[in-house]
Amino acid sequence: ILNVEQSPQSLHVQEGDSTNFTCSFPSSNFYALHWYRWETAKSPEALFVMTLNGDEKKKGRISATLNTKEGYSYLYIKGSQPEDSATYLCASTGSARQLTFGSGTQLTVLP
Amino acid sequence: ETGVTQTPRHLVMGMTNKKSLKCEQHLGHNAMYWYKQSAKKPLELMFVYNFKEQTENNSVPSRFSPECPNSSHLFLHLHTLQPEDSALYLCASSQDSGRLAGFAFFGPGTRLTVL
Repeated sequence: ILNVEQSPQSLHVQEGDSTNFTCSFPSSNFYALHWYRWETAKSPEALFVMTLNGDEKKKGRISATLNTKEGYSYLYIKGSQPEDSATYLCASTGSARQLTFGSGTQLTVLP
Repeated sequence: ETGVTQTPRHLVMGMTNKKSLKCEQHLGHNAMYWYKQSAKKPLELMFVYNFKEQTENNSVPSRFSPECPNSSHLFLHLHTLQPEDSALYLCASSQDSGRLAGFAFFGPGTRLTVL
């Protein structure tokens, strides 16, 4: 994988549902994996930075895992709320020493 | 409030105009970045400044000219742009641009339309 890829591109869930999305990134020369939440008309907001294989991070109802050997990260949202509606971006940094972003997963939580 | 501000928030310009985008960070960071987001595309890095020195130019056309007078301010000077340059331009900062294990903090962006 040369680029950072995210799936699905968009997702609609009902309030209270749990959901997850995937970020795939180049596993060679990996250094760090970032997750950001980007609400409409606002700035992207940092959620997590992970560097170690097997890392798990949690912030409230949102958690993320990291597998650097196979080059993927999952973001989980438990009990989705309408205020979770946003685009979730992941980005990796490696030997290029710059963040390479995926296209994002656009989440809509329906009340 | 992320501590990174950008002005203007919206800009409409003709292809012969010259304009500048401004970014200011109040976080004491040493690295600042310009990103571009075109419709349906990922965020694309344009320029990186670390301690006021440009360290990355991601093959950006010369009609985009960055300036970093100090670690808190970053400008993007625009001249003779093309309609395909219409996009959202985001500024970001981080502690330093080493390997980016720390968060990047983003401004709200400038929505640029080139007529």
